[in-house]
Amino acid sequence: DSGVTQTPKHLITATGQRVTLRCSPRSGDLSVYWYQQSLDQGLQFLIQYYNGEERAKGNILERFSAQQFPDLHSELNLSSLELGDSALYFCASSEWGEGKTQYFGPGTRLLVL
Amino acid sequence: AQSVTQLDSQVPVFEEAPVELRCNYSSSVSVYLFWYVQYPNQGLQLLLKYLSGSTLVKGINGFEAEFNKSQTSFHLRKPSVHISDTAEYFCAVGAHNFGNEKLTFGTGTRLTIIP
Repeated sequence: DSGVTQTPKHLITATGQRVTLRCSPRSGDLSVYWYQQSLDQGLQFLIQYYNGEERAKGNILERFSAQQFPDLHSELNLSSLELGDSALYFCASSEWGEGKTQYFGPGTRLLVL
Repeated sequence: AQSVTQLDSQVPVFEEAPVELRCNYSSSVSVYLFWYVQYPNQGLQLLLKYLSGSTLVKGINGFEAEFNKSQTSFHLRKPSVHISDTAEYFCAVGAHNFGNEKLTFGTGTRLTIIP
């Protein structure tokens, strides 16, 4: 158990819909990262937050957005969903500083029909 | 920007045989490197990491990796594998003094242990 929790574990929805994925980091970790894992793209970095502020952005679509709240939990919002958004979405958290281990949650499996 | 290449997408190995999973990286700045393991239907778990200093890094479950700056490689090795090592292995790179802590992951190597 990494200490990172993600809800829900599974999500099935239709094209055009909007969903919210939630992540609670390990106790004390201020950094939160979101990744998308799909068969064709592999593990792709989406976005990083540190203590409520956006710190780094990867290949995140404009239809996707994220935020980190004062209690440090984070949400990833996916809108106007397409079939190609079906993937496993991971959240990770770490302490502040480069080279710190990122601890991954169990992921949310999204299926868009 | 950094990139990672995992040369083998699948590696089958007999139980108790040695294994090497290859990872090469590209970066214009100095790097730190990780190996993560993903068991079926689970998140990623850290095996080991290299930040600086000694180039031979030991991790959990008997794995080790060697950082080779001249060959820009960070290959993962285990002298004798077990059935429980069946999993997907990911190499990842981050950059020192880059302004953020994002990691770039390779495409993964699926290790299958044959009894």
